[in-house]
Amino acid sequence: EADIYQTPRYLVIGTGKKITLECSQTMGHDKMYWYQQDPGMELHLIHYSYGVNSTEKGDLSSESTVSRIRTEHFPLTLESARPSHTSQYLCASSVNTGTSGVLTDTQYFGPGTRLTVL
Amino acid sequence: KNQVEQSPQSLIILEGKNCTLQCNYTVSPFSNLRWYKQDTGRGPVSLTIMTFSENTKSNGRYTATLDADTKQSSLHITASQLSDSASYICVVSDRGSTLGRLYFGRGTQLTVWP
Repeated sequence: EADIYQTPRYLVIGTGKKITLECSQTMGHDKMYWYQQDPGMELHLIHYSYGVNSTEKGDLSSESTVSRIRTEHFPLTLESARPSHTSQYLCASSVNTGTSGVLTDTQYFGPGTRLTVL
Repeated sequence: KNQVEQSPQSLIILEGKNCTLQCNYTVSPFSNLRWYKQDTGRGPVSLTIMTFSENTKSNGRYTATLDADTKQSSLHITASQLSDSASYICVVSDRGSTLGRLYFGRGTQLTVWP
């Protein structure tokens, strides 16, 4: 079981509200990620971070922002939530591991936050 | 275009039966392929990882195969249990960047009935 946590697990809010989804990991991983996942669809990378003070946008355009002030903490913020933001948000962290002599990135996922914007 | 396609989209089997899930990919270059299990309302958990040189990898009742020439992988589940009910996601990583970009399939939703 990976030591990566997300809060809240479920959130229902009204349009226009500012929200922050929390993600923390206690494994000391430098790399962290935020994914968005709709039911029956693939995960889409929206943000990632290589380490403290490093953040990058992912493949999927997102109106959210992230910060990485501490290694263990990678919060995601929506300044003004809209119904189109309704989705599952998954946080992950990763560490390099070796398999068959090849260095690979093993990602550990949190339980997710199910966001519903009314 | 780099893609990962999984089949079937959903599958229902009886407890104790075996099943095989398929994954075809067009990702290039190729670094590794993982199978994840995602329980409803939870984050994905890694089951197996295979690199270019590996043909098969087992994790308990889960056995993954990889044919890098045809760019196909399968996940075989033996003697299924009710707890195997989940979405199984195929994820392929390329070597194009230090991040090792990941390409996710949409998953196969497996339901095991008693």
